[in-house]
Amino acid sequence: DAKTTQPPSMDCAEGRAANLPCNHSTISGNEYVYWYRQIHSQGPQYIIHGLKNNETNEMASLIITEDRKSSTLILPHATLRDTAVYYCIVIRGSQGNLIFGKGTKLSVKP
Amino acid sequence: ETGVTQSPTHLIKTRGQQVTLRCSSQSGHNTVSWYQQALGQGPQFIFQYYREEENGRGNFPPRFSGLQFPNYSSELNVNALELDDSALYLCASSLWGISYEQYFGPGTRLTVT
Repeated sequence: DAKTTQPPSMDCAEGRAANLPCNHSTISGNEYVYWYRQIHSQGPQYIIHGLKNNETNEMASLIITEDRKSSTLILPHATLRDTAVYYCIVIRGSQGNLIFGKGTKLSVKP
Repeated sequence: ETGVTQSPTHLIKTRGQQVTLRCSSQSGHNTVSWYQQALGQGPQFIFQYYREEENGRGNFPPRFSGLQFPNYSSELNVNALELDDSALYLCASSLWGISYEQYFGPGTRLTVT
């Protein structure tokens, strides 16, 4: 599975959009990009995933560049409850285990 | 919140002892994965169970073992506890075939003294 690179930390003002980048320059054509987050003292939470096209659900939007070498998770209106560590994971196929890196610690501030 | 539950919430054991952690899957899920998360690190995959058999294992020694029951609940057993086993142990359930969409429980915090 391709390696990912994320900034260790980011700040965002409450109510503003939070844009979390992820670099996956060695991604293969059949590898998906998954995003999870972990709020302090809780288990990780699945957010969204995508292959090529941009995806949106009730939690977030995922923008994948045309060359698929990077992606951005967008939380459109960040709240204090969005403060968490966000993990970008690249996975081949649909079955197997998750390999977590260190993620990005997002701090949403009033 | 997910429908995944874990017990106990916290546990303190002594080096050399054995421990059993329990997990109940979300309704309808048939696959269970276990992860270990040390302080300040991302979760590390221990193993996954499907149809009561181990299906994939991370870089953990044999003293880490597991079980899955017909109702898809699961246990993680750790023998001969070491100080480095102190961590948050997370259970996640999913559907076989789309197991990257995993739903995690709140975890069990194990402290080994």
